[in-house]
Amino acid sequence: AQKVTQAQTEISVVEKEDVTLDCVYETRDTTYYLFWYKQPPSGELVFLIRRNSFDEQNEISGRYSWNFQKSTSSFNFTITASQVVDSAVYFCALRRSGGGADGLTFGKGTHLIIQP
Amino acid sequence: AAGVIQSPRHLIKEKRETATLKCYPIPRHDTVYWYQQGPGQDPQFLISFYEKMQSDKGSIPDRFSAQQFSDYHSELNMSSLELGDSALYFCASSLAGEMLEQYFGPGTRLTVT
Repeated sequence: AQKVTQAQTEISVVEKEDVTLDCVYETRDTTYYLFWYKQPPSGELVFLIRRNSFDEQNEISGRYSWNFQKSTSSFNFTITASQVVDSAVYFCALRRSGGGADGLTFGKGTHLIIQP
Repeated sequence: AAGVIQSPRHLIKEKRETATLKCYPIPRHDTVYWYQQGPGQDPQFLISFYEKMQSDKGSIPDRFSAQQFSDYHSELNMSSLELGDSALYFCASSLAGEMLEQYFGPGTRLTVT
């Protein structure tokens, strides 16, 4: 069985601070995929990034960066110089490599509040 | 760019009624997924279809059924609605393959009274 744990239920920081959202996963698969999605107050789910289990390169996209460490089964997400518009619920998700249309297993989400 | 379309966006039903939710995937996407998100909860995978065939099944109640049609749109049919079915229902689409992400629609908010 697969499991995604986001231990931080809610994080509140002041604008321009850096913030890291933690994600720890469990899977028996040797090949799998990890994702981060953002859900703003408007409710839609916005895809942010996908990482394959065989690619442990970290990635930076503007103010966003992701740290994938297979040894600790973690896929953490850092926002640098946070902005009020970053306020949202962020979900980490896991998908097995089954060759079909496998569903995502989501963590419980981290509610990020950026105060002006 | 075209996105996933879901209709209706809001739906109010009474207990024991039936509801049908529709999903139109991004053009050229052949795979559709359905998720249910209760208030304050994470999305839960219900079911997926690839090329009109059921591909994966999650925690979908027996009262729910779904199908994908020849034009790749999908419908989620929900019968004998219960109060606990009140949730945001997302449809997502992707192109078949190992490495492609799922793009979500705006969701249908179902309220059962």
